[in-house]
Amino acid sequence: DVKVTQSSRYLVKRTGEKVFLECVQDMDHENMFWYRQDPGLGLRLIYFSYDVKMKEKGDIPEGYSVSREKKERFSLILESASTNQTSMYLCASSWGLINEKLFFGSGTQLSVL
Amino acid sequence: AQSVTQLGSHVSVSEGALVLLRCNYSSSVPPYLFWYVQYPNQGLQLLLKYTTGATLVKGINGFEAEFKKSETSFHLTKPSAHMSDAAEYFCAVSDPKISNFGNEKLTFGTGTRLTIIP
Repeated sequence: DVKVTQSSRYLVKRTGEKVFLECVQDMDHENMFWYRQDPGLGLRLIYFSYDVKMKEKGDIPEGYSVSREKKERFSLILESASTNQTSMYLCASSWGLINEKLFFGSGTQLSVL
Repeated sequence: AQSVTQLGSHVSVSEGALVLLRCNYSSSVPPYLFWYVQYPNQGLQLLLKYTTGATLVKGINGFEAEFKKSETSFHLTKPSAHMSDAAEYFCAVSDPKISNFGNEKLTFGTGTRLTIIP
């Protein structure tokens, strides 16, 4: 089975801290994605990557950056965490075709105090 | 721009009853349509998808959905609810004409939480 692993299930950080969320997939997928999930808003795409060292902005990239140095690993970085970034963060991966399904990690619940 | 509307943020059905979760979309071209399910403390997993061909799509765990172009709908159904169906369900739409790389143009609905009453 495909596995998408997010390094932390729960994370508590303070305002202004630099935060790293890590995601690793084991199926050699080209595409990787970071979403945030908020009640009543569904999932919103932050950033995605279609190849190593390649990245593209999603719908809500402000306040975030990403890094993809190796194909299997995609990191989300909050340069200076703010309280409005408290959310559930979901990583996903897929093969390259548009109608291929996404495989999701189990999420990281980030609280910024 | 494409969008998805899921009617009802919470739906409760009795065990054994019909499950109907509603999804309407807007898209300028025939879209790709998806239903994902999220069980407690887990990520999302694909239930079923429509891309082309037969408009009635069967998925995992006895779920199915029908693409109705005239109604711009893709409602999810299951004839008989089971306790294990309790989860949050997300409808998603993708416009194949405006995507460059793949799933980056997937737009999710706001989700419907399904509760099963014993």
